[in-house]
Amino acid sequence: EAGVAQSPRYKIIEKRQSVAFWCNPISGHATLYWYQQILGQGPKLLIQFQNNGVVDDSQLPKDRFSAERLKGVDSTLKIQPAKLEDSAVYLCASSFDRQGRVGGYTFGSGTRLTVV
Amino acid sequence: TQLLEQSPQFLSIQEGENLTVYCNSSSVFSSLQWYRQEPGEGPVLLVTVVTGGEVKKLKRLTFQFGDARKDSSLHITAAQPGDTGLYLCAGARSGAGSYQLTFGKGTKLSVIP
Repeated sequence: EAGVAQSPRYKIIEKRQSVAFWCNPISGHATLYWYQQILGQGPKLLIQFQNNGVVDDSQLPKDRFSAERLKGVDSTLKIQPAKLEDSAVYLCASSFDRQGRVGGYTFGSGTRLTVV
Repeated sequence: TQLLEQSPQFLSIQEGENLTVYCNSSSVFSSLQWYRQEPGEGPVLLVTVVTGGEVKKLKRLTFQFGDARKDSSLHITAAQPGDTGLYLCAGARSGAGSYQLTFGKGTKLSVIP
């Protein structure tokens, strides 16, 4: 089965510019997650969708980050304007069930963002 | 304060040696997952443990969930260079109408041939 697809793989932008990431989850996975992984740390949840609705966005910096999953399938994560501290790998994951008990979470390869 | 503490942070061993990495928390989790992440890739699920005291084996890897469901360990027997990677534990909890998976910072393992 196809995995979680993410694009682009790499992005370099200047601070205060905007950037968008795209994710296509595994077919049939209703739950989609965006994680931020700063170098040397574990992934931190930014937002969780169940179908096209937001379940948890408590750790999303809403003044600059936004995400949508309009048709309940693929999703985009946007940063506007970017700050230096946003440099990280942005991982998209999907799961069959909300707790990930059935098959766990399947992660994409991530987008490595560098803000200069 | 890190919810999940993993130790050691770094581990470098010779091929054929045994090792154990730990994942500790003061919180109770409904389940706990272990992932391995290689450079430039996303984490890949190794195992999910659900029941306190549960032990699961995956070839040379043995995973244990603490009786109180607050901690876990991963033991690798006769490590091989292919085991090199970042090992992440992640605990699942429910709250505010959602289930959240919280990751530790990981243990970076290097197995030297």
